[in-house]
Amino acid sequence: AQSVAQPEDQVNVAEGNPLTVKCTYSVSGNPYLFWYVQYPNRGLQFLLKYITGDNLVKGSYGFEAEFNKSQTSFHLKKPSALVSDSALYFCAVRDKGSSYKLIFGSGTRLLVRP
Amino acid sequence: DSGVTQTPKHLITATGQRVTLRCSPRSGDLSVYWYQQSLDQGLQFLIQYYNGEERAKGNILERFSAQQFPDLHSELNLSSLELGDSALYFCASSVGGESYNEQFFGPGTRLTVL
Repeated sequence: AQSVAQPEDQVNVAEGNPLTVKCTYSVSGNPYLFWYVQYPNRGLQFLLKYITGDNLVKGSYGFEAEFNKSQTSFHLKKPSALVSDSALYFCAVRDKGSSYKLIFGSGTRLLVRP
Repeated sequence: DSGVTQTPKHLITATGQRVTLRCSPRSGDLSVYWYQQSLDQGLQFLIQYYNGEERAKGNILERFSAQQFPDLHSELNLSSLELGDSALYFCASSVGGESYNEQFFGPGTRLTVL
């Protein structure tokens, strides 16, 4: 069965430090992978996606993610965190082969302290 | 602002009642998706429509139904409401119906069933 896991409920980081939000997946075939961010009382916003090609994907607001097929991971990273990055982050996966469903992880709350 | 609009923003109703949630996709987007977000279930895909036709179905209860109209707006109908249906309901849209298209989310409708 297709699934995506975000092992950390919350990540705390100081402003200016690098941040990583972890995501691992389990799908049949090659996955399409996405990261979305949700600010309080707002809908989700698309950050970036991996479909094929370069394993390092660059997205909005200085975020990037690295696709690692051997470790089935797609961790979200940013070199220098901002307080305004504090939000709920969702990893999502689709099975390219047969399904149009977007399966979301449980979400990771990122808290960037000044 | 994603360009996706949802009405109403808040809805409070009683058990056993029926409600209709409305979504207008971004201009030019042909696909509409419905999601349910709750604390215990996380973000769950309900259903997708593409250019008026149902494209994919997720964890949608039989008491729930949706449709996409010729002008591409969509409605999600929830009937025989139960306390457990209280959640945030998101609509999203994408330009195509393929699984590599990123989705743009509306601000959501918060449903409270008393």
